[in-house]
Amino acid sequence: QKEVEQNSGPLSVPEGAIASLNCTYSDRGSQSFFWYRQYSGKSPELIMFIYSNGDKEDGRFTAQLNKASQYVSLLIRDSQPSDSATYLCAPEGSTLGRLYFGRGTQLTVWP
Amino acid sequence: DAGVIQSPRHEVTEMGQEVTLRCKPISGHDYLFWYRQTMMRGLELLIYFNNNVPIDDSGMPEDRFSAKMPNASFSTLKIQPSEPRDSAVYFCASSTRGGGSYEQYFGPGTRLTVT
Repeated sequence: QKEVEQNSGPLSVPEGAIASLNCTYSDRGSQSFFWYRQYSGKSPELIMFIYSNGDKEDGRFTAQLNKASQYVSLLIRDSQPSDSATYLCAPEGSTLGRLYFGRGTQLTVWP
Repeated sequence: DAGVIQSPRHEVTEMGQEVTLRCKPISGHDYLFWYRQTMMRGLELLIYFNNNVPIDDSGMPEDRFSAKMPNASFSTLKIQPSEPRDSAVYFCASSTRGGGSYEQYFGPGTRLTVT
């Protein structure tokens, strides 16, 4: 069983702050890691992925990966109320094509 | 591209009835996934296909659930007979190996309520 653990929420930050979302995974064979955002009542939406150790930046979002520690994170800079959603971490398992989803962290950004 | 298409968007049925959910993946994608999402259990993978062939159905709850993919552009998930505990949102997703990884794209989901 591939385990994916995300920091328990809900996480609440003020507008303009940095939101930090964390994820650990058990499958050492995982090579790619995806972050999805899911608004209430909507389907998960891919926001970014990372497959190399280190940081990957895309606008206000930065994904960080440390394969040795089996840890991946997502930082959201200058958080906006529109970022309020549940964020799902999904490592790609050693089985080609399959993603393993965490339970998600609910983020609320208050004005 | 139209994205992943699912129908119906909402389904309300009585216990014991047969329910069929439908999915059209993104054209050119060779993987198709069926997920179920509830507050209690989160997002669960039920079954997935590669090139129309079921690869892993270990997430299918029981024999009441079945899935088919007769061609590359269509899949169904059937529940017969349905039970109240099947109430959930069912998502279909598709993917292909693009840029070295398998990004999955989700459909809008089908909200199933079994009374």
